[in-house]
Amino acid sequence: DVKVTQSSRYLVKRTGEKVFLECVQDMDHENMFWYRQDPGLGLRLIYFSYDVKMKEKGDIPEGYSVSREKKERFSLILESASTNQTSMYLCASSGRSGRPQHFGDGTRLSIL
Amino acid sequence: ILNVEQSPQSLHVQEGDSTNFTCSFPSSNFYALHWYRWETAKSPEALFVMTLNGDEKKKGRISATLNTKEGYSYLYIKGSQPEDSATYLCAFSLYNFNKFYFGSGTKLNVKP
Repeated sequence: DVKVTQSSRYLVKRTGEKVFLECVQDMDHENMFWYRQDPGLGLRLIYFSYDVKMKEKGDIPEGYSVSREKKERFSLILESASTNQTSMYLCASSGRSGRPQHFGDGTRLSIL
Repeated sequence: ILNVEQSPQSLHVQEGDSTNFTCSFPSSNFYALHWYRWETAKSPEALFVMTLNGDEKKKGRISATLNTKEGYSYLYIKGSQPEDSATYLCAFSLYNFNKFYFGSGTKLNVKP
């Protein structure tokens, strides 16, 4: 079974802090994704990566950056956290195009 | 951003009822349609991947159909059980692209 592991289930940070969310997958998948989920809005794509050191902006990249130095690890960075970034963050990975994405359990991030 | 719509937003049924919900997506450049089940405190779990017009998939009491020409998919649950309570997400992908476009989900609550 594919395992996608997110570093924290719950995280509380302060406005202005730099925040790192980590994601690791164990299936040698090329593609990795970061989403945020807010009530009534579904999953919105922040960034994705289709290879090591490659990244593509999703639909809502503002205020975020990502890093993919190794194939199995994809990090989401909030450069200067703001209260409107309080949300549930989900990481996913997939193999070749069109195959299902496999999700982590999510990180519920609160910015105070 | 491509629009994927799901209806209804939420649904409350009694145990034993059969139910269905809809996912609408753009019909041009279609590649695949995915259904996920997302239970509270768990990660979204892939249910079906459908690629061909007229596809029907089944997993136990849950089945799905696909119409790519008119841009919709139905998910059916026969004889709903309390353990079916979850949010059901659909996602649409374009040919040869790794991005998924998610709907906002249908939240199903099955009362014993």
